[in-house]
Order: sequence, then structure tokens, then C-alpha cells
Amino acid sequence: GNSVTQMEGPVTLSEEAFLTINCTYTATGYPSLFWYVQYPGEGLQLLLKATKADDKGSNKGFEATYRKETTSFHLEKGSVQVSDSAVYFCALSPNSGYSTLTFGKGTMLLVSP
Amino acid sequence: NAGVMQNPRHLVRRRGQEARLRCSPMKGHSHVYWYRQLPEEGLKFMVYLQKENIIDESGMPKERFSAEFPKEGPSILRIQQVVRGDSAAYFCASSPPSSGGYNEQFFGPGTRLTVL
Repeated sequence: GNSVTQMEGPVTLSEEAFLTINCTYTATGYPSLFWYVQYPGEGLQLLLKATKADDKGSNKGFEATYRKETTSFHLEKGSVQVSDSAVYFCALSPNSGYSTLTFGKGTMLLVSP
Repeated sequence: NAGVMQNPRHLVRRRGQEARLRCSPMKGHSHVYWYRQLPEEGLKFMVYLQKENIIDESGMPKERFSAEFPKEGPSILRIQQVVRGDSAAYFCASSPPSSGGYNEQFFGPGTRLTVL
């Protein structure tokens, strides 16, 4: 079956530091990959996505590249802000059939001034 | 265009009571998904519905849980005879009719259920 593994948190950084949150996946076929962000007390918001190998998703300074050879989709940002503090979820969805999402456990990011 | 609406946002029930969670999808969306988030866990798929049809309920517990998405009105996730282990955040997502490939899911703010 499909699964997503992401690094455990919390990840604690100072403002303007470089961020990497690792994500690897197991899936049959060629899934689409996503990063969602959840701010305290809120629902999930789609941050970025990639639908095929070597695609790079980007949004709000965050980037992730779909690496089929390493089955990875690591999230990066060059300079984090306090407002980036949230829980980040890596997820996948099959590209055939219907679009149920499989999520990782989430990684909490805490950015201090 | 309003987003996905869920109510109530917070629900407190005593053991043995029933919990009803409502989800109104975005306008034009005919697909609804329910996910459960246990404390310090990721979201787990529960059920996928289209209007008047359950498409996939492979993530639903076999007993006490049911879901519907009637022709008119919101989708309902119903939990009968709640137990403490049902305490979690329940998220609903909706997507437009399928056009092949992935259809982006838009999430509601969730209902946080607490069972005393």
C-alpha cells in the first residue's frame, strides 16, 4: 500500500535560517505529491504540489522537487520567518482512480525571532 | 466562493452519546472526503463520498461510524455511542467532479471532538 514517512519534529530554527523537512514515500505507479501546512487551530492548506517526476513545486518561498529515483519530496526554504511556524504534512495521491490522500505524521516547525 | 464549511468547530460529548459532524463542500464540488487526525498523528482517510453514494469507506471503523452525502444538504459523519478514543479532529475536504488525474482537495477547518 501507499505510505509517507517524514522527519519527526519539532524542528526549531532561528529566523532567516535554512529549512529542510525530509519526506520519502512508497507507492505503486506514479503518484502526485503534496505539502500541506496547518497553522494552530486551523485546517490544512495546500502549500505546493508536483504531479510527475522532476517537477518542482514552489509557493511562498518554499520548494520541493519530485525525485522518483530516491522516492523523495523534501521541503526547503532558504530563509524562514516566525510566521512559518506551523505543522507541515507531506502527502501523496494516486494519479489513477480517485484522489484519496495518504499523509505523513507531520513535522512541527518552530521559528524564533 | 465560500470555502469548505464544517460545524460545529468544537463538540463535547459524554461516553455513549452520539456525535454528528457536518460538512458543506465548496460550491460546485460533488466529492467529499472525511479524515481523522488523532493527537500527534497525521490525517487518516476515513471515507470518500459523492452525492448519494459512498465510494470508498475502507478507512471507517466497522462499527458505530457512518457517513452520508445526501442529494440536498451537507455531508454528515455520525458516530454512535462515542468512546474516549474517538476524541480527535475530524476534517472534511471537497473536490470538483473528476476530470481524470488528481483533483485538488480543499479542506475545512475541522471539528474537534472531545469525549468526556
